[in-house]
Amino acid sequence: NAGVMQNPRHLVRRRGQEARLRCSPMKGHSHVYWYRQLPEEGLKFMVYLQKENIIDESGMPKERFSAEFPKEGPSILRIQQVVRGDSAAYFCASSPGQGGSTDTQYFGPGTRLTVL
Amino acid sequence: GDSVTQMEGPVTLSEEAFLTINCTYTATGYPSLFWYVQYPGEGLQLLLKATKADDKGSNKGFEATYRKETTSFHLEKGSVQVSDSAVYFCALVSGGYQKVTFGTGTKLQVIP
Repeated sequence: NAGVMQNPRHLVRRRGQEARLRCSPMKGHSHVYWYRQLPEEGLKFMVYLQKENIIDESGMPKERFSAEFPKEGPSILRIQQVVRGDSAAYFCASSPGQGGSTDTQYFGPGTRLTVL
Repeated sequence: GDSVTQMEGPVTLSEEAFLTINCTYTATGYPSLFWYVQYPGEGLQLLLKATKADDKGSNKGFEATYRKETTSFHLEKGSVQVSDSAVYFCALVSGGYQKVTFGTGTKLQVIP
Protein backbone atom coordinates (compact mmCIF):
# COMPACT_ATOMS: atom_id res chain seq x y z
CA ASN A 1 0.00 0.00 0.00
CA ALA A 2 1.70 3.14 -1.22
CA GLY A 3 1.92 6.02 1.18
CA VAL A 4 0.81 9.57 0.67
CA MET A 5 2.30 10.91 -2.55
CA GLN A 6 3.17 14.52 -3.17
CA ASN A 7 4.58 16.18 -6.23
CA PRO A 8 6.64 17.93 -7.10
CA ARG A 9 9.09 17.40 -4.26
CA HIS A 10 10.79 20.68 -5.03
CA LEU A 11 9.28 23.68 -6.75
CA VAL A 12 10.93 26.97 -7.63
CA ARG A 13 8.84 29.97 -8.62
CA ARG A 14 9.50 33.63 -9.21
CA ARG A 15 7.48 36.25 -7.42
CA GLY A 16 4.07 36.69 -9.02
CA GLN A 17 3.89 33.21 -10.53
CA GLU A 18 1.47 30.49 -9.53
CA ALA A 19 2.37 27.35 -7.59
CA ARG A 20 0.32 24.15 -7.80
CA LEU A 21 1.05 21.40 -5.31
CA ARG A 22 -0.48 17.96 -5.68
CA CYS A 23 -1.28 15.30 -3.12
CA SER A 24 -2.54 11.76 -3.65
CA PRO A 25 -3.81 10.23 -0.40
CA MET A 26 -3.19 6.69 0.70
CA LYS A 27 -5.44 4.12 -0.90
CA GLY A 28 -8.73 4.00 0.92
CA HIS A 29 -8.30 7.38 2.60
CA SER A 30 -10.98 9.95 1.98
CA HIS A 31 -9.71 12.82 4.13
CA VAL A 32 -6.87 15.14 3.17
CA TYR A 33 -5.12 17.83 5.17
CA TRP A 34 -2.55 20.44 4.19
CA TYR A 35 0.06 21.87 6.54
CA ARG A 36 2.80 24.45 6.09
CA GLN A 37 6.19 24.32 7.76
CA LEU A 38 8.16 27.53 7.74
CA PRO A 39 11.93 27.26 8.21
CA GLU A 40 12.91 26.20 11.74
CA GLU A 41 9.26 26.00 12.81
CA GLY A 42 6.64 23.35 13.45
CA LEU A 43 3.81 22.50 11.13
CA LYS A 44 0.74 24.71 10.99
CA PHE A 45 -2.63 23.45 9.84
CA MET A 46 -4.00 25.07 6.70
CA VAL A 47 -7.03 23.18 5.40
CA TYR A 48 -8.99 19.94 5.78
CA LEU A 49 -10.87 18.46 2.83
CA GLN A 50 -13.01 15.50 2.01
CA LYS A 51 -13.94 14.54 -1.53
CA GLU A 52 -15.42 17.63 -3.22
CA ASN A 53 -15.80 19.45 0.11
CA ILE A 54 -13.74 21.85 2.16
CA ILE A 55 -14.43 21.02 5.79
CA ASP A 56 -12.14 23.45 7.63
CA GLU A 57 -10.02 26.14 6.02
CA SER A 58 -9.40 28.15 9.16
CA GLY A 59 -5.64 27.99 8.74
CA MET A 60 -5.56 29.10 5.13
CA PRO A 61 -4.62 32.69 4.24
CA LYS A 62 -7.69 34.49 2.93
CA GLU A 63 -6.05 35.64 -0.26
CA ARG A 64 -4.07 33.87 -2.98
CA PHE A 65 -4.44 30.39 -1.46
CA SER A 66 -7.02 27.81 -2.46
CA ALA A 67 -7.42 24.06 -2.15
CA GLU A 68 -9.56 21.40 -3.73
CA PHE A 69 -10.04 17.65 -3.56
CA PRO A 70 -12.05 16.62 -6.61
CA LYS A 71 -14.04 13.45 -7.00
CA GLU A 72 -11.31 12.06 -9.24
CA GLY A 73 -7.63 12.84 -8.99
CA PRO A 74 -5.33 14.34 -6.41
CA SER A 75 -5.89 17.17 -4.01
CA ILE A 76 -4.43 20.46 -5.23
CA LEU A 77 -3.10 23.35 -3.15
CA ARG A 78 -2.86 26.42 -5.32
CA ILE A 79 -0.96 29.57 -4.47
CA GLN A 80 -1.45 32.49 -6.81
CA GLN A 81 0.98 35.40 -7.21
CA VAL A 82 3.55 33.86 -4.89
CA VAL A 83 5.68 36.05 -2.64
CA ARG A 84 8.97 35.25 -0.89
CA GLY A 85 7.13 34.65 2.38
CA ASP A 86 5.38 31.67 0.78
CA SER A 87 8.71 29.80 0.71
CA ALA A 88 8.15 26.80 2.96
CA ALA A 89 7.61 23.08 3.01
CA TYR A 90 4.01 22.10 2.36
CA PHE A 91 2.91 18.76 3.71
CA CYS A 92 -0.16 16.80 2.87
CA ALA A 93 -1.64 14.18 5.17
CA SER A 94 -4.47 11.73 4.73
CA SER A 95 -6.63 9.67 7.04
CA PRO A 96 -9.19 6.92 6.60
CA GLY A 97 -11.99 9.12 7.87
CA GLN A 98 -13.05 7.01 10.82
CA GLY A 99 -13.92 10.20 12.59
CA GLY A 100 -13.01 11.70 15.91
CA SER A 101 -9.65 12.27 17.48
CA THR A 102 -8.46 8.69 16.94
CA ASP A 103 -8.28 9.10 13.17
CA THR A 104 -4.52 8.97 12.57
CA GLN A 105 -3.06 11.15 9.85
CA TYR A 106 -0.27 9.89 7.63
CA PHE A 107 2.03 12.42 6.03
CA GLY A 108 3.55 12.71 2.61
CA PRO A 109 7.18 13.68 1.95
CA GLY A 110 6.29 17.32 1.36
CA THR A 111 6.81 19.85 -1.40
CA ARG A 112 9.53 22.40 -0.76
CA LEU A 113 8.56 25.66 -2.40
CA THR A 114 11.20 28.28 -3.02
CA VAL A 115 10.15 31.71 -4.25
CA LEU A 116 12.91 33.72 -5.87
CA GLY B 1 -7.32 26.85 22.02
CA ASP B 2 -5.28 23.70 21.82
CA SER B 3 -1.53 23.92 22.23
CA VAL B 4 1.52 21.71 22.60
CA THR B 5 4.70 22.72 24.36
CA GLN B 6 7.85 20.68 23.99
CA MET B 7 11.35 21.19 25.21
CA GLU B 8 13.58 23.27 23.02
CA GLY B 9 16.51 21.75 21.32
CA PRO B 10 18.86 20.94 20.02
CA VAL B 11 19.51 17.97 22.23
CA THR B 12 22.89 16.36 21.78
CA LEU B 13 23.53 12.90 23.24
CA SER B 14 26.18 10.27 22.95
CA GLU B 15 25.24 6.93 21.46
CA GLU B 16 23.56 4.58 23.99
CA ALA B 17 22.53 7.47 26.25
CA PHE B 18 19.03 7.74 27.71
CA LEU B 19 16.67 10.12 25.95
CA THR B 20 13.79 12.16 27.34
CA ILE B 21 11.97 14.82 25.36
CA ASN B 22 9.33 16.59 27.41
CA CYS B 23 5.91 17.41 26.01
CA THR B 24 2.92 19.00 27.71
CA TYR B 25 -0.39 19.97 26.20
CA THR B 26 -3.51 22.06 26.63
CA ALA B 27 -6.68 20.81 24.99
CA THR B 28 -10.42 20.64 25.31
CA GLY B 29 -11.87 17.25 26.01
CA TYR B 30 -9.77 14.13 25.72
CA PRO B 31 -7.22 14.45 22.95
CA SER B 32 -5.29 11.76 21.18
CA LEU B 33 -1.55 12.29 21.47
CA PHE B 34 1.18 11.57 18.94
CA TRP B 35 4.90 11.70 18.39
CA TYR B 36 6.07 12.23 14.83
CA VAL B 37 9.69 12.07 13.63
CA GLN B 38 11.16 13.99 10.71
CA TYR B 39 14.49 12.85 9.29
CA PRO B 40 16.56 15.41 7.36
CA GLY B 41 14.94 16.35 4.06
CA GLU B 42 11.98 14.05 4.59
CA GLY B 43 8.36 14.23 5.65
CA LEU B 44 6.87 13.30 8.99
CA GLN B 45 6.54 9.72 10.07
CA LEU B 46 4.21 8.62 12.81
CA LEU B 47 6.38 7.25 15.61
CA LEU B 48 3.77 6.35 18.23
CA LYS B 49 0.41 7.39 19.58
CA ALA B 50 -1.91 7.06 22.58
CA THR B 51 -5.62 7.69 22.51
CA LYS B 52 -6.63 7.68 26.18
CA ALA B 53 -5.27 8.32 29.64
CA ASP B 54 -2.61 5.90 30.91
CA ASP B 55 -2.13 4.41 27.45
CA LYS B 56 1.50 3.78 26.52
CA GLY B 57 2.53 4.15 22.91
CA SER B 58 5.70 2.39 21.83
CA ASN B 59 7.67 1.81 18.65
CA LYS B 60 11.32 1.20 17.72
CA GLY B 61 12.38 1.37 21.36
CA PHE B 62 10.64 4.71 21.94
CA GLU B 63 7.88 5.01 24.52
CA ALA B 64 5.49 7.68 25.75
CA THR B 65 2.72 7.46 28.35
CA TYR B 66 -0.44 9.56 28.24
CA ARG B 67 -0.58 11.29 31.63
CA LYS B 68 -3.88 13.11 32.05
CA GLU B 69 -3.10 14.37 35.56
CA THR B 70 0.01 16.19 34.39
CA THR B 71 -1.18 16.76 30.79
CA SER B 72 2.07 15.30 29.54
CA PHE B 73 3.29 12.86 26.91
CA HIS B 74 7.06 12.67 27.35
CA LEU B 75 9.08 10.69 24.82
CA GLU B 76 11.72 8.29 26.13
CA LYS B 77 14.24 5.84 24.77
CA GLY B 78 16.64 3.82 26.84
CA SER B 79 19.57 3.76 24.42
CA VAL B 80 19.74 6.09 21.44
CA GLN B 81 21.56 5.39 18.20
CA VAL B 82 23.12 7.70 15.65
CA SER B 83 20.27 6.80 13.30
CA ASP B 84 17.80 8.37 15.75
CA SER B 85 19.12 11.83 14.87
CA ALA B 86 16.07 13.72 13.64
CA VAL B 87 13.49 16.31 14.67
CA TYR B 88 10.75 15.00 16.95
CA PHE B 89 7.30 16.60 17.06
CA CYS B 90 4.74 16.12 19.78
CA ALA B 91 1.18 16.59 18.54
CA LEU B 92 -2.47 16.22 19.46
CA VAL B 93 -5.92 15.93 17.94
CA SER B 94 -8.80 16.87 20.20
CA GLY B 95 -12.54 16.40 20.19
CA GLY B 96 -14.20 16.27 16.84
CA TYR B 97 -11.62 18.47 15.22
CA GLN B 98 -9.42 16.77 12.67
CA LYS B 99 -6.54 19.19 12.51
CA VAL B 100 -3.35 18.20 14.24
CA THR B 101 -1.78 20.72 16.59
CA PHE B 102 2.00 20.39 16.63
CA GLY B 103 4.68 21.45 19.02
CA THR B 104 7.61 23.35 17.59
CA GLY B 105 9.81 20.27 17.38
CA THR B 106 12.95 19.14 19.18
CA LYS B 107 16.07 18.43 17.19
CA LEU B 108 18.02 15.42 18.45
CA GLN B 109 21.60 14.83 17.47
CA VAL B 110 23.27 11.59 18.52
CA ILE B 111 27.04 11.46 18.26
CA PRO B 112 29.09 8.26 18.10
